[in-house]
Amino acid sequence: DTAVSQTPKYLVTQMGNDKSIKCEQNLGHDTMYWYKQDSKKFLKIMFSYNNKELIINETVPNRFSPKSPDKAHLNLHINSLELGDSAVYFCASSPITQGARGANYGYTFGSGTRLTVV
Amino acid sequence: KNQVEQSPQSLIILEGKNCTLQCNYTVSPFSNLRWYKQDTGRGPVSLTIMTFSENTKSNGRYTATLDADTKQSSLHITASQLSDSASYICVVHGGSYIPTFGRGTSLIVHP
Repeated sequence: DTAVSQTPKYLVTQMGNDKSIKCEQNLGHDTMYWYKQDSKKFLKIMFSYNNKELIINETVPNRFSPKSPDKAHLNLHINSLELGDSAVYFCASSPITQGARGANYGYTFGSGTRLTVV
Repeated sequence: KNQVEQSPQSLIILEGKNCTLQCNYTVSPFSNLRWYKQDTGRGPVSLTIMTFSENTKSNGRYTATLDADTKQSSLHITASQLSDSASYICVVHGGSYIPTFGRGTSLIVHP
């Protein structure tokens, strides 16, 4: 199936731990993203990579570090987890960078990773 | 400040009825506006994308309209089905790489 797949789907961990979420897309898209959806269902962009190059880095604590080994993968590593990090994290991809002229393509989102920090 | 406001926050309708969701935005400059459907426990799925020059776009029973002058968009759902129960999110892209998301309208369709 062509898709954006992220693992794990659920992640429960203790404060202070370090965890990673993996994302892979087989759509041949050039750009990948990480989004955070809070308890009120508000989606906010965190990072965007275009062909392994970081192009968006929103005001996210530096405990969050994205890694893109190739344009089909974008992983998210989180150090020293805090209670406020609990949320659903979505990976997404698009053919070209959103915001670029003519970039009228939708995102394809993964199913999300529900992170619970206890 | 770029903002996207959606209304109503939540909506309950009976199966078979029509409904309209609203999206007002202050994003400038404007590039395009998208509507997404997000089922519970799933990622958002794109319904429509409209640019400045497009007034209306349909995707099955979903019809989106755009008035770029008043900076308003609506999503009309015809003959609602139980599977339409979801959150509907309006997203506006401006001149930067950062999209502006609305908080969504939660729609519940009852049999």
